[in-house]
Amino acid sequence: DTEVTQTPKHLVMGMTNKKSLKCEQHMGHRAMYWYKQKAKKPPELMFVYSYEKLSINESVPSRFSPECPNSSLLNLHLHALQPEDSALYLCASSQAQQSYEQYFGPGTRLTVT
Amino acid sequence: GQNIDQPTEMTATEGAIVQINCTYQTSGFNGLFWYQQHAGEAPTFLSYNVLDGLEEKGRFSSFLSRSKGYSYLLLKELQMKDSASYLCAVRDPSNTGKLIFGQGTTLQVKP
Repeated sequence: DTEVTQTPKHLVMGMTNKKSLKCEQHMGHRAMYWYKQKAKKPPELMFVYSYEKLSINESVPSRFSPECPNSSLLNLHLHALQPEDSALYLCASSQAQQSYEQYFGPGTRLTVT
Repeated sequence: GQNIDQPTEMTATEGAIVQINCTYQTSGFNGLFWYQQHAGEAPTFLSYNVLDGLEEKGRFSSFLSRSKGYSYLLLKELQMKDSASYLCAVRDPSNTGKLIFGQGTTLQVKP
């Protein structure tokens, strides 16, 4: 199983809403990532978890709050987002933080109204 | 800082060969990756180069020259399904696992 799953596939939320994005992998990977991708742009790293601990926060606004409940799950909690936060949010995982291959999930298409 | 350059768009004919170039300027080097991304889908891993030379994997090959800060992805026997964006990425030299992506090359394969 080389699959990373993400839910929901699409999400529309207002600026006052609270929602969560979920990511799951069962490959035994110990590093998990959140990326943000705007249209026609490359993915940009947001957060890295290594062994369930936050390893990297790329100066992401606090309205995005990551959580790693266990080694298979990664959440991204959203609160008070802005329309410019609308993007494709990609989750990825790798065997370890320094491992060369990252597997990406299909992404959640987020629209903030 | 890190800078990665690749052409924005390319067009090629079904059955032909196409080469997508990538140049990078980084403070160090810790590996270069190529990913394929179809519109609205996740990037999928194609290749990894850390030493100079050519890595071949079926219809896809990737080349690296560290001294020139240069890589290319070679696609042979092009198929319509190869129409996609191709992302060149280097791993952050500080070994954080972070991938730094180029802007991507959108390849259109025509019949």
